[in-house]
Amino acid sequence: DAKTTQPTSMDCAEGRAANLPCNHSTISGNEYVYWYRQIHSQGPQYIIHGLKNNETNEMASLIITEDRKSSTLILPHATLRDTAVYYCIVRANTGNQFYFGTGTSLTVIP
Amino acid sequence: GAVVSQHPSRVICKSGTSVKIECRSLDFQATTMFWYRQFPKQSLMLMATSNEGSKATYEQGVEKDKFLINHASLTLSTLTVTSAHPEDSSFYICSATHWTGSSYNSPLHFGNGTRLTVT
Repeated sequence: DAKTTQPTSMDCAEGRAANLPCNHSTISGNEYVYWYRQIHSQGPQYIIHGLKNNETNEMASLIITEDRKSSTLILPHATLRDTAVYYCIVRANTGNQFYFGTGTSLTVIP
Repeated sequence: GAVVSQHPSRVICKSGTSVKIECRSLDFQATTMFWYRQFPKQSLMLMATSNEGSKATYEQGVEKDKFLINHASLTLSTLTVTSAHPEDSSFYICSATHWTGSSYNSPLHFGNGTRLTVT
């Protein structure tokens, strides 16, 4: 079962930073946080992942709180093509599975 | 980056027939593949996990005799929906990884999904 909770939907103005929160209060010490996004009728696209430290790549930044109970995905300059459903996933450490929660539907507004 | 190819992208079949969906890892050896199902406006639901050369492990509530999974090679897994009915109409998505036992630090790579419509 998914171990994360996210807001159902968010809007963001084009060109502004989009900050997507995720709560994972029951995360275990060696479980990674992954972020994916899904554009309509496509497979999920990997964005970023992390364990404890903040991470940044060409797509986004991931900020993980010190207690690891929550994280925020930051898209620094949102574009219309960033409109998608964003999933925060805690990867199970007893197997290899990814269980998806309900995700956040992000709409970037012109 | 790692590429997972899924085929077909769309399929329409008649009720009672069987449909096979293929999932291939194009540039890496997929020791583990996962099959998901997604209904409209819902999240992805994990159906089963398959390890190359082993029987698939199904999630609770997923009928293993209806959704046959074969993972006979390190680059190919197939999902066969047997005796399909309209309620099986859904978006089926596969994902793959090269699992080494300490690969929690590696992302899963997803195919682009198969839209199944049963009439």
